Amino acid sequence: QSVLTQPPSASGTPGQRVTISCSGSSSNIEINTVNWYQHLPGTAPKLLISDNNRRPSGVPDRFSGSKSGTSASLAISGLQSEDEADYYCAAWDDSLNGPVFGGGTKLTVL
Amino acid sequence: EVQLVESGGGLIQPGGSLRLSCAASGFTVSSNYMSWVRQAPGKGLEWVSVIYSGGGTYHADSVKGRFTISRDNAKNTLYLQMNSLRAEDTAVYYCATGGITADYWGQGTLVTVSS
Repeated sequence: QSVLTQPPSASGTPGQRVTISCSGSSSNIEINTVNWYQHLPGTAPKLLISDNNRRPSGVPDRFSGSKSGTSASLAISGLQSEDEADYYCAAWDDSLNGPVFGGGTKLTVL
Repeated sequence: EVQLVESGGGLIQPGGSLRLSCAASGFTVSSNYMSWVRQAPGKGLEWVSVIYSGGGTYHADSVKGRFTISRDNAKNTLYLQMNSLRAEDTAVYYCATGGITADYWGQGTLVTVSS
């Protein structure tokens, strides 16, 4: 059972907008920033969003992040086939005194 | 250019020990937070250990007392000493720069714990 809760799957058609949620608590998301990672099988994970809504250099602006209270969301607009991957939210947890991942969401582009 | 190259993975019997290495280039390991993250077969990512620039460390409860993260500043290399290995430690282990904000990742090294 992950400290951060994500839906196990999400899907959309090319061009659509999809959102992936991440639910936490007062010891993590509410008081710390949220990062999002993209992971394609067999490759290294990639930092997609940092500090709730900052895109590292090279990440398309189709990807955006937001946070409100104890929840965060990743939005992908103009969905493309290469976006098919696993997506993980991550945050520092003050109770555990360490970083935690969500369980991951497998995004399928139909 | 930042590069991270893991090594040391392999097949090990339950109860055995293994040391993973992560050779870094393009930046200084001792000036950064560094992490080990793993993914077990069919499972999600799990943060295993973090070493802070000041030398303090974090280990997940699942590995506390068995795994130790360390670094060799002269070799600019990160290590993960894994003792008392269990079947559930079977995973691809990645090293990464940073703590919660892991900017760069290695390609991973597979550790299989099996008799």
